[in-house]
Amino acid sequence: AQTVTQSQPEMSVQEAETVTLSCTYDTSESDYYLFWYKQPPSRQMILVIRQEAYKQQNATENRFSVNFQKAAKSFSLKISDSQLGDAAMYFCAYRLEVPGANSKLTFGKGITLSVRP
Amino acid sequence: DTGVSQDPRHKITKRGQNVTFRCDPISEHNRLYWYRQTLGQGPEFLTYFQNEAQLEKSRLLSDRFSAERPKGSFSTLEIQRTEQGDSAMYLCASRPLGGGYEQYFGPGTRLTVT
Repeated sequence: AQTVTQSQPEMSVQEAETVTLSCTYDTSESDYYLFWYKQPPSRQMILVIRQEAYKQQNATENRFSVNFQKAAKSFSLKISDSQLGDAAMYFCAYRLEVPGANSKLTFGKGITLSVRP
Repeated sequence: DTGVSQDPRHKITKRGQNVTFRCDPISEHNRLYWYRQTLGQGPEFLTYFQNEAQLEKSRLLSDRFSAERPKGSFSTLEIQRTEQGDSAMYLCASRPLGGGYEQYFGPGTRLTVT
């Protein structure tokens, strides 16, 4: 079974600074996707960034980038130039990509990020 | 595209009562998922529909839980004889058939069992 581990329950960053959120996962599969989702307080979950396991290049979306280390099964999220609106709970998630599979997401426990003005 | 909607947003019920939640996915999204999220935890998979067929159910989905997706459009999740341990946020998500697409989440239904 696949597992996703986020060992840091909380982190804090100064506005305009950079912060890195850690995630490790365990799988014996070779084809999968990894995701970071953001869940603001009392608001719905939205996708921040996605990484296909077969791609060696790390994904980047504006101020958000990942460090994907496939051999180490590590998938960290870096947020640059942190903004007050980045304050939220962040979840790392795994999805097996096999034809015919249901493609359910397996989530970590999440990390609460606070941004200090 | 109005996004995934869920109704109600909040539900308070007494232990032993039955409750039903509704999810309206993004139109033409064949795949529909239900997740449960308890306080301070990540969402956990409950069940999956492809069109009207329920193709997978988690062991978390006890006999008191039932989900349907008639005609492959909206879905309902019913909990019979609710227990305090059922208190959680119930999330619905949808995505199109095919690879590479993200799941789009609804706002969730927060259930409190007293």
